[in-house]
Amino acid sequence: RKEVEQDPGPFNVPEGATVAFNCTYSNSASQSFFWYRQDCRKEPKLLMSVYSSGNEDGRFTAQLNRASQYISLLIRDSKLSDSATYLCVVNDWDGGSQGNLIFGKGTKLSVKP
Amino acid sequence: DADVTQTPRNRITKTGKRIMLECSQTKGHDRMYWYRQDPGLGLRLIYYSFDVKDINKGEISDGYSVSRQAQAKFSLSLESAIPNQTALYFCATSDLPRGSGFYNEQFFGPGTRLTVL
Repeated sequence: RKEVEQDPGPFNVPEGATVAFNCTYSNSASQSFFWYRQDCRKEPKLLMSVYSSGNEDGRFTAQLNRASQYISLLIRDSKLSDSATYLCVVNDWDGGSQGNLIFGKGTKLSVKP
Repeated sequence: DADVTQTPRNRITKTGKRIMLECSQTKGHDRMYWYRQDPGLGLRLIYYSFDVKDINKGEISDGYSVSRQAQAKFSLSLESAIPNQTALYFCATSDLPRGSGFYNEQFFGPGTRLTVL
């Protein structure tokens, strides 16, 4: 089974801190990469897609390293509202069929006042 | 109004009972999915459907069946519920990918919390 591995945390940080999450994936053929956010007992929601050149959305920066099969998410100036579980998601593609999304187990972030 | 809805939102049932979870979407997506989420195990794919006539087993389909009644509706059934099927169940939808090997984001319903006693 193709895997997506994440540090489960929890990451406990003060407001204003910068925090980084890492993720590794096993399928070198994967083409689509995402970070999802999941609040407690709620559905996952897309935070951002991850592109080869890296991309930024406000306080959030995502990076992809295909050679190392590694994805990262950086959150700057953490807010209390950033407290959630962050899921690393990769598509499972074998070069033939379309494949599906493989979800990491998530990294829990708790931002304290 | 929510784009992806699930009913019921919570259900408690007994071992051996038949249960149906329903999912409806107004996003116009062809692709629909059923996942279960257990603490410490993450999301696992049960079944998926790329259109009304295309239904496929996911990673953990044993003990489950599905029905795609229309483009907008995808139901999950537990024919004879057992306690280890206690979990949070999510339905999701996605649009067609932009190219071979690529995958679009999935949009999730609010989930159904199922407890099997």
